[in-house]
Amino acid sequence: GDSVTQMEGPVTLSEEAFLTINCTYTATGYPSLFWYVQYPGEGLQLLLKATKADDKGSNKGFEATYRKETTSFHLEKGSVQVSDSAVYFCASGGSQGNLIFGKGTKLSVKP
Amino acid sequence: NAGVTQTPKFQVLKTGQSMTLQCAQDMNHNSMYWYRQDPGMGLRLIYYSASEGTTDKGEVPNGYNVSRLNKREFSLRLESAAPSQTSVYFCARRVGSYEQYFGPGTRLTVT
Repeated sequence: GDSVTQMEGPVTLSEEAFLTINCTYTATGYPSLFWYVQYPGEGLQLLLKATKADDKGSNKGFEATYRKETTSFHLEKGSVQVSDSAVYFCASGGSQGNLIFGKGTKLSVKP
Repeated sequence: NAGVTQTPKFQVLKTGQSMTLQCAQDMNHNSMYWYRQDPGMGLRLIYYSASEGTTDKGEVPNGYNVSRLNKREFSLRLESAAPSQTSVYFCARRVGSYEQYFGPGTRLTVT
């Protein structure tokens, strides 16, 4: 069945470091892809999305490109801040109109 | 503001007790979803509703029932709570093909 695999955390970085969180998907066809962010004690917020191959989603300095050849949607940010500390979830569109989530990657950014 | 409210925010139940988790959207979207989030598991779909009066099972429906009486509200019921249902429950509304917006969650502990 469809699934999403993302790199396990936790990931600890210093402020202003470069961030990459890897995400790959398995699906029939070409699903829409998403990154969600969850701050402590809160719900999930949509960070960015891409709906077709080669699309680049971007928001708040974060970017991810839909790579059909490698079935990947890696999240990147050039310079992280302490305020980016959160759990990041990669997700793909499922057959029931639902989202299929990866297990989440916890990011901690130290000053 | 995701436009989705959930009540209660926290709940502690004893094994065998019942309760209903409430979810409401402030828009007029057809599709709504219930997920549970467990440590290291990402979010998993419990039930969904494609439109008013219709509901369907997701990946982990056992032990739950749902009700979609009108377009705004989608409730999740635990008839006889078990410790395995200790989790954080999120309700979401769908916008467009797959994009979803989540409520703040209900943190449930079953002792």
